[in-house]
Order: sequence, then C-alpha cells, then structure tokens
Amino acid sequence: ETGVTQTPRHLVMGMTNKKSLKCEQHLGHNAMYWYKQSAKKPLELMFVYSLEERVENNSVPSRFSPECPNSSHLFLHLHTLQPEDSALYLCASSPSGGDTDTQYFGPGTRLTVL
Amino acid sequence: GDSVTQMEGPVTLSEEAFLTINCTYTATGYPSLFWYVQYPGEGLQLLLKATKADDKGSNKGFEATYRKETTSFHLEKGSVQVSDSAVYFCALSTSSNTGKLIFGQGTTLQVKP
Repeated sequence: ETGVTQTPRHLVMGMTNKKSLKCEQHLGHNAMYWYKQSAKKPLELMFVYSLEERVENNSVPSRFSPECPNSSHLFLHLHTLQPEDSALYLCASSPSGGDTDTQYFGPGTRLTVL
Repeated sequence: GDSVTQMEGPVTLSEEAFLTINCTYTATGYPSLFWYVQYPGEGLQLLLKATKADDKGSNKGFEATYRKETTSFHLEKGSVQVSDSAVYFCALSTSSNTGKLIFGQGTTLQVKP
C-alpha cells in the first residue's frame, strides 16, 4: 500500500466503550497529525507528533489519547466518548513537520458515538 | 491568533464557468498558504500551495497567488468541470505553530452539466 491508510473506515461505539483508531503512513515521513472534522466546523488539529515525540496537544480532552510507537504508525485511543465526539477523524503525515511541508491525508475514520 | 476566512458556500456553477473562491488570512510572521480539496468520501489532498509573497501556485487548471498586501490567496479556475465538484479548503501554516495547518471552514463547489 502507498500513502496514508486509516482503519477502521467506520466505527460505531457506545459511550462506555474503548476503541482505537489506527493510521499508517508509507511515505517515510517524520511528522504525523490527528485532525477532527465535524459538520459545520473547520478542521481542528488535535495532536502533532514529530519523530515520535508529541509536539502539540491542542487542548484535547483526556478521553482522546494518542500514541506514536514509531514514525510510521499513529493511534488514537478512545474511551468514554460523548455523542458530540462523533466526527470524521483524519490522520496526516508530512516530511518534517515544517511550515512549508505538504501534509498527506488518509481517508479518515467516520466515528459515531451513541 | 492565526486564522483563515473563506467565502461561504455552496457555490453552484455550470460546466465551463469561471470559478473564484475567496480566501483571506490573519497570521503573525510569514505563513505558507495552501488549498486542499476533499472529494466525497475521501480525505484531503493538496491542490496547490505558495510559500512566499507573490508566489503563484497552480495545478490542474487551478491557480492562486499569495498576496501579502491584501492577505489573500483566492482560488481561481477558468473553466470548471463536473469532476471539480468537491469541498475546497484554504489553509495556512507558520514556522511558529509547529507546522500545523489552520483551515478555513471549507467551500462546497457543485458543478452542473
């Protein structure tokens, strides 16, 4: 596979469940990102990792927990979510995390919290 | 703080019409500017970018020029096709914000045959 892949593509979970979203990039990039895309709101950055180190946490509630075990993989662990957390979660990667970098996005995971 | 403002949509055009989607920004320092496009059911993909003032980004017939004096990066295409129907996002990134993208709210374009 090439590019940025995300699994699962769709996820339905109850408020008491624990689940994880997975992102994998095959581009040899050093920076990875999680974004949240809600209806009628701009895309919001959640987390940035550079060389497996978290460099930004954009005031995200603790019920979202990221993990970056290596530069190719990024996870978003979910627990005790709320219905307002239903959204499209997008993963992206970029070569170095610099401001001129192009970010490459995965197709997203459509999350529904019941 | 840094921000991006796009014209509200949806924008509906007939095939071969001229397209303009306005984008203005507020940023400290000298941002890089991007247009991303999202087709139905897909993630975002880069359409074009410009990293310094007066640069013109272009791709697939789309163009945008980085105008520092008006803090704008308007997207244009001379003749749209049905296949251009998508959501278009203007975004910026600065060296002071760890390379993160700050997006506008997106503009939906629908092109009718």
